[in-house]
Amino acid sequence: AQTVTQSQPEMSVQEAETVTLSCTYDTSESDYYLFWYKQPPSRQMILVIRQEAYKQQNATENRFSVNFQKAAKSFSLKISDSQLGDAAMYFCAYRSSNDMRFGAGTRLTVKP
Amino acid sequence: GAVVSQHPSRVICKSGTSVKIECRSLDFQATTMFWYRQFPKKSLMLMATSNEGSKATYEQGVEKDKFLINHASLTLSTLTVTSAHPEDSSFYICSASTPWAGSTDTQYFGPGTRLTVL
Repeated sequence: AQTVTQSQPEMSVQEAETVTLSCTYDTSESDYYLFWYKQPPSRQMILVIRQEAYKQQNATENRFSVNFQKAAKSFSLKISDSQLGDAAMYFCAYRSSNDMRFGAGTRLTVKP
Repeated sequence: GAVVSQHPSRVICKSGTSVKIECRSLDFQATTMFWYRQFPKKSLMLMATSNEGSKATYEQGVEKDKFLINHASLTLSTLTVTSAHPEDSSFYICSASTPWAGSTDTQYFGPGTRLTVL
């Protein structure tokens, strides 16, 4: 089975600053997707951003962007201009045609 | 669009009884649905993957006779926890996705169901 590793259990950022959450994964497959999900206290999982492995260009969604390094199997999330509403658990996820895995999560705190 | 609902949101049951949780994709057809279990302050653990009209594929260590999954239509999957015990108490989350077919593949999550077994 593939593994997804988030090495930062907790991160903290000052409001309006930038923070980067790390994620690495292990796979032997060539066709897969990577995701970042946000889980606020309500526990509803919310898709933040997705990346197709075959695309070299890093995905961007407003203040959220990724640094996808396929050879290094790295998929970090950058949050710019952090807002109080960004505080949540963030999960990195991997999906292929026959597998779906989540990392252990990173709890992000945003300080006013 | 892409809304997934779960019912019930909370359920409390006695040990030994069975509980059914429904997962519905409200505005799209989901050929694949996933069932997860999440312990407090932990990540999501994939329990099983179900494809409409076929038997679910269970992850290693998940008892298929205890966690019955039915995916009878393109908009509904159910998880039945049979003969529930206190250790089955957890937060159960479903997700639904379109077919594995390129750039449209994304999972949409339900709001979860908190099961408490007394």
